[in-house]
Amino acid sequence: DAGVTQSPTHLIKTRGQQVTLRCSPKSGHDTVSWYQQALGQGPQFIFQYYEEEERQRGNFPDRFSGHQFPNYSSELNVNALLLGDSALYLCASSLSGTQYFGPGTRLLVL
Amino acid sequence: QKEVEQDPGPLSVPEGAIVSLNCTYSNSAFQYFMWYRQYSRKGPELLMYTYSSGNKEDGRFTAQVDKSSKYISLFIRDSQPSDSATYLCAMSFNAGNNRKLIWGLGTSLGVNP
Repeated sequence: DAGVTQSPTHLIKTRGQQVTLRCSPKSGHDTVSWYQQALGQGPQFIFQYYEEEERQRGNFPDRFSGHQFPNYSSELNVNALLLGDSALYLCASSLSGTQYFGPGTRLLVL
Repeated sequence: QKEVEQDPGPLSVPEGAIVSLNCTYSNSAFQYFMWYRQYSRKGPELLMYTYSSGNKEDGRFTAQVDKSSKYISLFIRDSQPSDSATYLCAMSFNAGNNRKLIWGLGTSLGVNP
C-alpha cells in the first residue's frame, strides 16, 4: 500500500496566480480532507470530499475549491493567490474515521 | 480564545527522560482526542486515539484525557532521539468518517543523546 500521496512536493507561485494540488488516497479510502498548515501552526481544516461532493467546509474563502474524482483522488485549487497562502497543504484520506496524512505540498507565494 | 491551546515549546530533554505534553480546550462537546507526531517536512502520523475521559497506553506512549478539566496529555517514557519531532493534539466532535479535526499548534520536542 503506497499510502496517501500528494503532488507536487514543492511549488513556487506569484501573487494572483492559480494553483492545483493533487492527492491520491490510501487504497480503499473514500473520503479526502484537505488542511492548510502555516509555518509554526497546527493544520486548519479547508474542506472534505466524499462521493465526489464537498461534504463540509472550514472557514476558507471561495478562492479555495476542490474536486473529487470517481477513483477517490482529489484536487485542491486556489485562485488569486495571496502571500498568506504560503503554507504546507496536507491531504488526509479515511474510510472509517481515522485520517491518514500524506507528506504535503509546500506552496510558496512570492 | 483558540479552541485548542498547546504550548509550542521548544522542549528539550535528555535521552531516557519522561516527556509530558499537554493541550487544553474550550469546547466541552469534543469527544475524541488524538495525538499526532510530525517530523520535519512530513505529514502528521497518528500516535494515539482516545474517546472521552481515561487513559490509554501503547508501548512507551500513554494518552490521558480529563474532560472535567478540558485537559489532555501525552506521556513518552524512556524518550529516544528518534522521538524528536513536533507533537500535535487534535480533537473532534464525532467519530464518523465525516469528522473534521481541530488542532493545537504543536509542541516541538528535542531529545538529546
